[in-house]
Amino acid sequence: EVQLVESGGGLVQPGGSLRLSCAASGFTVSSTYMSWVRQAPGKGLEWVSLIYSGGATYYADSVKGRFTISRDNSKNTLYLQMNSLRPEDTAVYYCARGIVGGNNWFDPWGQGTLVTVSS
Amino acid sequence: EIVLTQSPATLSLSPGERATLSCRASQSVSSYLAWYQQRPGQAPRLLIYDVSNRATGIPARFSGSGSGTDFTLTISSLEPEDFAVYYCQQRSNWPLTFGGGTKVEIK
Repeated sequence: EVQLVESGGGLVQPGGSLRLSCAASGFTVSSTYMSWVRQAPGKGLEWVSLIYSGGATYYADSVKGRFTISRDNSKNTLYLQMNSLRPEDTAVYYCARGIVGGNNWFDPWGQGTLVTVSS
Repeated sequence: EIVLTQSPATLSLSPGERATLSCRASQSVSSYLAWYQQRPGQAPRLLIYDVSNRATGIPARFSGSGSGTDFTLTISSLEPEDFAVYYCQQRSNWPLTFGGGTKVEIK
C-alpha cells in the first residue's frame, strides 16, 4: 500500500527555517515525480514545489529562492527545506505522489503537517 | 500564471441530486485539467485527470468534461460521502495552479 507521512511542522518565528519530511512506503520516491502543496487555514490549495524522477525541480514564485525540494533515496523520503519563513507561509503542507501514467497529477497525498510562522 | 475560477462557491443540494461544478481557466489549458475532492479534515484525493479520466477507485458517478478554458465536473447522484470541497488543477503551464474550490453542502 502506498503511504506518505509528513513530519517536521511546528511553530517558527518569521525569518526562521524549518525542514519538512515526507516518508514514503509502498513505492520508491526516486521512481516518480513528487510535489508539495500547501493549504492556509480555511483557504484553498496552493502548489509549492515539484521534483521529477530525473531530479529537475520547480517552484512557485512565492517560495522561489527560499524553499528547496529534495529527496534521500536511501531513506525513501522527500524533503522541503524552508528558509526565510514569512507569516504568509503558515499552512498545512501536504506531500503528494505523481500518478502512474499521468503527468503532474497527484495521488495519494499525505495527511499534512502544520507550519505556523508567528512571533 | 493561469488563474482557475470555480463556480459556484457553494452548491446546496440533497442526496440523490445531480451536481454540476464549473472551472474556467484564464487561458487555454488544452485537456490538462484535473479535479480533486477534499472531505473535512482530510487530505485531497484525485478524482479526474486529463479532463475526463477517472482516477483509480473513483466511482462512475463522477465524470468530467470540457476543453480549452471551460470544464465541468458532474456527480450524477450525490451520495452522503460526496459532500465536500472540490478543486480543479491545471498542468498546462508553470506554475501549477488550483481553483479556489466549490463546496458541495447538504441542503
